[in-house]
Amino acid sequence: GEDVEQSLFLSVREGDSSVINCTYTDSSSTYLYWYKQEPGAGLQLLTYIFSNMDMKQDQRLTVLLNKKDKHLSLRIADTQTGDSAIYFCAVTNSGYALNFGKGTSLLVTP
Amino acid sequence: DAGVIQSPRHEVTEMGQEVTLRCKPISGHNSLFWYRQTMMRGLELLIYFNNNVPIDDSGMPEDRFSAKMPNASFSTLKIQPSEPRDSAVYFCASSDTGREQYFGPGTRLTVT
Repeated sequence: GEDVEQSLFLSVREGDSSVINCTYTDSSSTYLYWYKQEPGAGLQLLTYIFSNMDMKQDQRLTVLLNKKDKHLSLRIADTQTGDSAIYFCAVTNSGYALNFGKGTSLLVTP
Repeated sequence: DAGVIQSPRHEVTEMGQEVTLRCKPISGHNSLFWYRQTMMRGLELLIYFNNNVPIDDSGMPEDRFSAKMPNASFSTLKIQPSEPRDSAVYFCASSDTGREQYFGPGTRLTVT
């Protein structure tokens, strides 16, 4: 199956930018997603990108896709303490079966 | 709008007992997904329904697991008999486009 890899942990200071990275193995992945999970909660869809796009921006969030390197990143501008959570990268080539990474735990310190 | 609703939020049961998890998808969504989240394996898709019909159940671990969707507004995931290794958080998600999946808050299952 699809391998989706993320670093486990990231710590940033409030006000700085955060960059969370993800690599995947299946070059036929069509949609690539970022989800956020706060403690004890479900997964919140943040944004997604279609594989024919290089970049997508939505307010403080910027998604970059490098298809050649099979690399996806999520940049959070002006990171706030409320952004502390686990961020999951997910990809699909079937249109419905999401393959998730193990998640990156983001800690934002004052 | 109400999101995906799951019940119960927490379930503690003894090994060998039957467990039933419930999900109400977002109204109007025609796709429903059951996922399991564990520390070891992360998030795994168990089963996918489209228009109440199971399309892909290849992720269902074994015959002890079964899922039904009798109508567009209700689905169940049943484990019988339950085992300690079934302890996990079970998520239900729904979608109207197939691209955007919206997750419920999850059911934390503990089997002792």
